[in-house]
Amino acid sequence: GQNIDQPTEMTATEGAIVQINCTYQTSGFNGLFWYQQHAGEAPTFLSYNVLDGLEEKGRFSSFLSRSKGYSYLLLKELQMKDSASYLCSARSGGSYIPTFGRGTSLIVHP
Amino acid sequence: EAGVTQFPSHSVIEKGQTVTLRCDPISGHDNLYWYRRVMGKEIKFLLHFVKESKQDESGMPNNRFLAERTGGTYSTLKVQPAELEDSGVYFCASSQVYEGIYGYTFGSGTRLTVV
Repeated sequence: GQNIDQPTEMTATEGAIVQINCTYQTSGFNGLFWYQQHAGEAPTFLSYNVLDGLEEKGRFSSFLSRSKGYSYLLLKELQMKDSASYLCSARSGGSYIPTFGRGTSLIVHP
Repeated sequence: EAGVTQFPSHSVIEKGQTVTLRCDPISGHDNLYWYRRVMGKEIKFLLHFVKESKQDESGMPNNRFLAERTGGTYSTLKVQPAELEDSGVYFCASSQVYEGIYGYTFGSGTRLTVV
């Protein structure tokens, strides 16, 4: 089985930087995903990491360390619209179906 | 391009009744997935279709749940008879690439409340 852990809630100030951590335990590893979900809306794909290192996409970056079973999502220049739930999901080596964490609710305040 | 569409967006039914949820994936996406999120818990996989075939239904909780995808286009998920613990948000997602390395495209979900 798989286990995904991420903080339940985080708060940050508009314009700041926030890092959302995710640890995973999988039998084998075959990719890690981050999704953003605003209340009442569909989760939207943000990033995919399968190799160690940092992937940058505009204000959002995602980092992976396979040896540590660890990933983080970095959000820069926070905007109020970034207030949402951020879902970490990992895929094990034996399956193409990712397992999701419970999500981190990020609240951005002025 | 139209996204993944789910209907209805909300459904409130009594215990013992039947409910059918519908998902229209993105046109051309052979892979269709059903997920469920119970309040306070993580999104959990239910099953995966490749075209009209069930590729993996290991996440289906019990035989009260029946999923179909006739013709490999839209899919339905029927719950019969519904129980209180079936309440939650049911998400559908689709992907073009089998392994979904570009991530899934999710629908907005159907919020099911069983009373």
